[in-house]
Amino acid sequence: AQSVTQLGSHVSVSEGALVLLRCNYSSSVPPYLFWYVQYPNQGLQLLLKYTSAATLVKGINGFEAEFKKSETSFHLTKPSAHMSDAAEYFCAVSSFSGNTPLVFGKGTRLSVIA
Amino acid sequence: GAGVSQTPSNKVTEKGKYVELRCDPISGHTALYWYRQSLGQGPEFLIYFQGTGAADDSGLPNDRFFAVRPEGSVSTLKIQRTERGDSAVYLCASSLRGAGGYTDTQYFGPGTRLTVL
Repeated sequence: AQSVTQLGSHVSVSEGALVLLRCNYSSSVPPYLFWYVQYPNQGLQLLLKYTSAATLVKGINGFEAEFKKSETSFHLTKPSAHMSDAAEYFCAVSSFSGNTPLVFGKGTRLSVIA
Repeated sequence: GAGVSQTPSNKVTEKGKYVELRCDPISGHTALYWYRQSLGQGPEFLIYFQGTGAADDSGLPNDRFFAVRPEGSVSTLKIQRTERGDSAVYLCASSLRGAGGYTDTQYFGPGTRLTVL
């Protein structure tokens, strides 16, 4: 079985500060990992995904994430927060070899303070 | 191009009633997924279609839930004898191929907020 743990249901940062959203996964097969963002009253939008190529993945809106197998982590970062980054962020795991559906974490709400 | 659309955007019903939720995927996408998102939770998988057939319905909570995709495009999620615990946002997503089952990028619709009174 696969699972995702997102540490911190709410993270607050100042505008211009580093954004770090934590995600740890559990998987018995090589994982594919995803970060999605959800703005109020909108559907989820893919930020980036790891599919066993480069361990450092760059996504949209200046976000990136690094796959660390030894730590079973896939933390999301952005060097400088913008007000428009305020949203709900979800980490998810699936597997090509396991042919399993996306399993999402509970989400982290990011607030950006002016 | 047009994204995934879902209708209605909001649905309020009474306990015991039947509801249908509709999903229009992105044109040409063969894979379609339904998820349920309860308050304060991440989306939970319900069912996955590859073309017209349900390739994986392991997430459907019980036999009150059923989904169809008769022509391989539009899908309808049907809930019989609704219960208050069914209240949630129901999300639909589609992907081009569904290659490897679930690793293809999924594009989500805005969801249908179902409230069972």
